[in-house]
Amino acid sequence: ETGVTQSPTHLIKTRGQQVTLRCSSQSGHNTVSWYQQALGQGPQFIFQYYREEKNGRGNFPPRFSGLQFPNYSSELNVNALELDDSALYLCASSLAGGSGYTFGSGTRLTVV
Amino acid sequence: GNSVTQMEGPVTLSEEAFLTINCTYTATGYPSLFWYVQYPGEGLQLLLKATKADDKGSNKGFEATYRKETTSFHLEKGSVQVSDSAVYFCALSDRKYAGGTSYGKLTFGQGTILTVHP
Repeated sequence: ETGVTQSPTHLIKTRGQQVTLRCSSQSGHNTVSWYQQALGQGPQFIFQYYREEKNGRGNFPPRFSGLQFPNYSSELNVNALELDDSALYLCASSLAGGSGYTFGSGTRLTVV
Repeated sequence: GNSVTQMEGPVTLSEEAFLTINCTYTATGYPSLFWYVQYPGEGLQLLLKATKADDKGSNKGFEATYRKETTSFHLEKGSVQVSDSAVYFCALSDRKYAGGTSYGKLTFGQGTILTVHP
């Protein structure tokens, strides 16, 4: 059973650029959630996808968007990067209706 | 809205000491409760969970009991090891309903840094 894998592990971008982060969900899981973890803080919910449809969203601006593919992998896109977007971005997969979440190791994004 | 409050850190202990990290929550309904651990440079690992009142979650010597009357889920370990040094997050999960479907999201506390010295 494979876990959740995220790529890339580290990324440096310039303010104003766009970035795409990728996540492969755990085998058998059909739901993917994305979280932003700023330094020294707990993770904050960005949004969740279930069977390619977004069915939940946190308090993040529209420049944070995403996709889920038929194989349940997912992308997080962030446009017009700001310095405050620097954070660890975590992907978690789960089964819809279940209470278990498996996290990936995250992508560390630095915006300069 | 939902919220989770953890005790202020950092917590520094000697090996074999007793550990308690307090966690209280505010939520509507009946959330599931979790403790996650994060080692330096890594993502989150589920440590234990409880899905209903009076349930006790346990793993690797850690325990926490879901106390609905006090809205708490305190983490305890009788004898900590140096390898337990990490950041510990308390979290809750509830279900939201929108557009005919439901989704669950985790709400995390701010984390507690634990350092265990030999």
